[in-house]
Amino acid sequence: SYLLTQPPSVSVAPGKTATITCGGDNVGSKTVHWYQQKAGQAPALVIYYDADRPSGIPERFSGSNSGNTATLTISRVEAGDEADYFCQVWNTDSDHPEFGGGTKLTVL
Amino acid sequence: EVQLVQSGAEVKKPGESLQISCKASGYTSTNFWIGWGRQVPGKGLEWMGFIYPDDSDTRYSPSFQGQVTISVDKSITTAYLRWSSLKASDTALYYCATRGLGLYYMDVWGKGTPVIVSS
Repeated sequence: SYLLTQPPSVSVAPGKTATITCGGDNVGSKTVHWYQQKAGQAPALVIYYDADRPSGIPERFSGSNSGNTATLTISRVEAGDEADYFCQVWNTDSDHPEFGGGTKLTVL
Repeated sequence: EVQLVQSGAEVKKPGESLQISCKASGYTSTNFWIGWGRQVPGKGLEWMGFIYPDDSDTRYSPSFQGQVTISVDKSITTAYLRWSSLKASDTALYYCATRGLGLYYMDVWGKGTPVIVSS
């Protein structure tokens, strides 16, 4: 399997910028997708193909991917952004998705 | 509106069998895969497998091959996840999700089915 490493937690004050990383061996050569999972809810796609946003996702959410790190950036953080965030790549060997361990975003 | 409706919570004993379901609605075609993932509270997501409703082509993740059975009833666009003999370690929250043909992310998710296996 392909290992994706995320920090367990990130804290940020409202209105500031949150940066959540997803590390993996040459992850920049893969495409990374990000999901938001609020407490008691199913995951929801917030970024796909490194930096694209599904309809309905605010422009405050952005993504990048280069080298060994993919990054989800949330600008002007709001209380409603508090959630777990997971990164995901496609494992071409197993032909299945692989997920990072998730990062809990706390809005102070 | 596309949505996935999952069956309700289950409480079972070790050794029992179980089948949970996931009904897709609002889709204009069946050009998508339906998959199942497992999440243990406080831990990450593990993907179990996908099935293509049009022809029932089923792909299992290596970790789950032989452990579960994924099936589909195309006529009602409903996917199933079945265990023949549950273990305590199967206790988890199970999500279904769809991904479009040729896409490598899941864009629609069900709300999850909790499964508790305890003697």
